Order: sequence, then structure tokens, then C-alpha cells
Amino acid sequence: QKEVEQNSGPLSVPEGAIASLNCTYSDRGSQSFFWYRQYSGKSPELIMFIYSNGDKEDGRFTAQLNKASQYVSLLIRDSQPSDSATYLCAVNFDDKIIFGKGTRLHILP
Amino acid sequence: DTGVSQDPRHKITKRGQNVTFRCDPISEHNRLYWYRQTLGQGPEFLTYFQNEAQLEKSRLLSDRFSAERPKGSFSTLEIQRTEQGDSAMYLCASSLRIDTQYFGPGTRLTVL
Repeated sequence: QKEVEQNSGPLSVPEGAIASLNCTYSDRGSQSFFWYRQYSGKSPELIMFIYSNGDKEDGRFTAQLNKASQYVSLLIRDSQPSDSATYLCAVNFDDKIIFGKGTRLHILP
Repeated sequence: DTGVSQDPRHKITKRGQNVTFRCDPISEHNRLYWYRQTLGQGPEFLTYFQNEAQLEKSRLLSDRFSAERPKGSFSTLEIQRTEQGDSAMYLCASSLRIDTQYFGPGTRLTVL
């Protein structure tokens, strides 16, 4: 069964610090990986996608992928109160996107 | 606003009734996805269209659920004989490629 696992949190991080969110997935054949942000009562919003091993940076966000360990992470630098949300890790399994349950992130002012 | 619209935004129905939801994707997007999300869970894949062809349907989707995408434009999701367990947010997403999926605002279904 294709699964995406995330710690549900909440993860509390002081404002200005680095928030680190982690995700593991079950299928070694997966080729593309996504991080979505979801505010309470809203629909998910794509933050980043990554295909290759290593790091991909976009502004304050860095996605990291390690296919050998089947592990994806998202780092948020200089965390802001507006970053408080649920972060969903998602994996493409044969053109079907499977989501994890999400990690609730709370940035402490 | 992502450009994906869903109607209605909220639906309250009684158990046993049929409901239909509509999704209008971004016009040039050929892929359209339906998901269901309950509190504390991530979106759960229901079904996927490429143009008008329904390419995959979750095995979790019972026979009471059906989806269509006539002419490869808007899509409808129908739930027959609704049950209380069907109460959830139903999300639609569209994309041109798998890595650029945009979600609509969702339809919140409450089954009494």
C-alpha cells in the first residue's frame, strides 16, 4: 500500500527560527514530491515540488529529498507567524497524488 | 483565488438523499482531480480525469459515487444515497502537469 507518513504535531517554533518538517513515503518508485500549505478552513496551496535528490530552495523555503532513505523534508527559514498552518507532504504514485495527514506548525511570536 | 471554482460551497442534506457537486477547472488544464478531506486528515484521492477520460478511481470509492467530465471541461461528482460518513470537504484540483496542481475552495458536505 502506498503511504505517506508525517508527524501530526503540533510543532511549535519561535518566530525567526528555522522550522523543519519531515515526511517518509513507502514506494521507492515515486518520482515527484510536493509540499502544500493549508490554512484552517482553506484548501491546500502548493509551496514547492522536488524531483531530484538534494536540496531545492525557493525564498525562505528549502525542500530536501533523499530517495535512498525515502525521506522528504521542508525547511522554513526566518519563520513568521503567517507560516502557522498545516503542511501537507504529497507524493506522486503513478500520476496519483497521495497526501500525508499533515503537520500542524505553530510559530510563536 | 486559484482560478478553480466549485459549487456549491456548502451543502447540507439528509441521509439517503443524492447530491451533486460541480468543479470548473482552469480553462487550459487537461487534468482534473477529486479529493475528499476530513478533519485532521490530508486530502484523500477519489478520482482523476485527463480531458474527458476518467483514468483512475480509488478503490475506496463506493458504487454510490460517480464522476463525469463531459467534453473535458467542468466535472461533476455525484453521491447517491448519502450516509453520515460522507460528511467531508470535497476538493477539486486541476493541472496541466502533475507538478502544478491548483485546488478549488472545496464543497463542504454535511449529512444529517
